[in-house]
Amino acid sequence: SAVISQKPSRDICQRGTSLTIQCQVDSQVTMMFWYRQQPGQSLTLIATANQGSEATYESGFVIDKFPISRPNLTFSTLTVSNLSPEDSSIYLCSVWESAEAFFGQGTRLTVV
Amino acid sequence: DAKTTQPNSMESNEEEPVHLPCNHSTISGTDYIHWYRQLPSQGPEYVIHGLTSNVNNRMASLAIAEDRKSSTLILHRATLRDAAVYYCILSNYNQGGKLIFGQGTELSVKP
Repeated sequence: SAVISQKPSRDICQRGTSLTIQCQVDSQVTMMFWYRQQPGQSLTLIATANQGSEATYESGFVIDKFPISRPNLTFSTLTVSNLSPEDSSIYLCSVWESAEAFFGQGTRLTVV
Repeated sequence: DAKTTQPNSMESNEEEPVHLPCNHSTISGTDYIHWYRQLPSQGPEYVIHGLTSNVNNRMASLAIAEDRKSSTLILHRATLRDAAVYYCILSNYNQGGKLIFGQGTELSVKP
């Protein structure tokens, strides 16, 4: 099973700044997924990150706000830009391996 | 993406079986039925998945209706640790692991 390490586990950021979240997987995977979980809500898919190509964003999410990098098959970053209190959420990365999705523990972001 | 419908919440007593229902009337022939659960303050974790036949693993059983328009996740003996939000998700493997989460069922387990 894939093991995912996410950093940071939590952060408190000032509005107008940016936060970059790192996701490291212990095996090579074709696609990585980034999700947002707002307080008390379910998970919402932000984008799919493929190595060597631009990320594919879901409706309501744009690259300027959520730029994603995927430099190799084991690593990805999600940046949440120009932070506002509405961005306070848990952000999770996920990979798919052997018909099973694996998730990181999440990054809890609080914007003040 | 085909949608699923689940009750918002359910209650169970410890050491009793729990049946968590899921409706997916618009399921396509290539959609797999996946169940994940999210324990408090953790990322979701895989529970079980199936296509047409009932499935069993160490965590749970999955009963799939003959017409595949509904399924039931069965926890044979609920423990306090099973208190979580359970998500029923349809996944087409052509999407390579892209999961669209619904609201799920929040299961509480009483001692």
